[in-house]
Amino acid sequence: DGGITQSPKYLFRKEGQNVTLSCEQNLNHDAMYWYRQDPGQGLRLIYYSQIVNDFQKGDIAEGYSVSREKKESFPLTVTSAQKNPTAFYLCASTVSGQGNEKLFFGSGTQLSVL
Amino acid sequence: RKEVEQDPGPFNVPEGATVAFNCTYSNSASQSFFWYRQDCRKEPKLLMSVYSSGNEDGRFTAQLNRASQYISLLIRDSKLSDSATYLCVVNMRAAGNKLTFGGGTRVLVKP
Repeated sequence: DGGITQSPKYLFRKEGQNVTLSCEQNLNHDAMYWYRQDPGQGLRLIYYSQIVNDFQKGDIAEGYSVSREKKESFPLTVTSAQKNPTAFYLCASTVSGQGNEKLFFGSGTQLSVL
Repeated sequence: RKEVEQDPGPFNVPEGATVAFNCTYSNSASQSFFWYRQDCRKEPKLLMSVYSSGNEDGRFTAQLNRASQYISLLIRDSKLSDSATYLCVVNMRAAGNKLTFGGGTRVLVKP
C-alpha cells in the first residue's frame, strides 16, 4: 500500500544532541512538508520541498535542517540550537506542490527532551 | 496578527444539533482552502476542500467569503463521532504554495 512512513514513533533527545526524524513516501509525490504541533495548537510549517534538491523555510525553521536528496525521502534534523524541541512532528506530501491538493500525512513522531 | 485564525473552542454541542464555526485569513491573495479533521494525537485527515460557490458533503457544509476573508464549516445533525479538532488550511500560491494551518477549533458532541 502507498503511504508515508515516519519513524520513530517516539524519540527522546538529550540536551545538546542533534536528532533526525525520518519521513519516507512511496506515493511518487513531488512535494513534502514538515510540521510541528504543540499541545492544543495547530500545525506550524517548519520546512517544505516542492522538488528534489530544493527546499524552502517555513514559519519556524530556526533550529531545524532538512535535505531532499531523493524524491521519496525528506528527513528532518532537530539541532541543538532548537531550545524547545518537545512537540509532535508531522510529515506530509502532496502530488505536485500546487497548493490545491490533499495533504497525505504520516502518523507522526513525538519528540521529548530528557 | 496570525495569517490564519480560528476560535479554539471548545464548542459543546448536544447530539443532533447544528454547529458552525469560522476561520479567518489575513492575506487576500489566498487561493485554496480546506478543512481537516484531527483526532487526539493523530494525523489530520482531509474533511473537504472549500470552493468559491460553497460545497456540501453529507452533513457538512463549507462556505467561502472572500470579501470578509473567512471560511466556515457547518455540521448538521451532530454525531458523537464528530467530536474532534477541525483545522482550516489556507494556501497562498504567491508565497510558494505554502499551506498554512489555523490553530484548530475543538468540537465536543455530547449525548
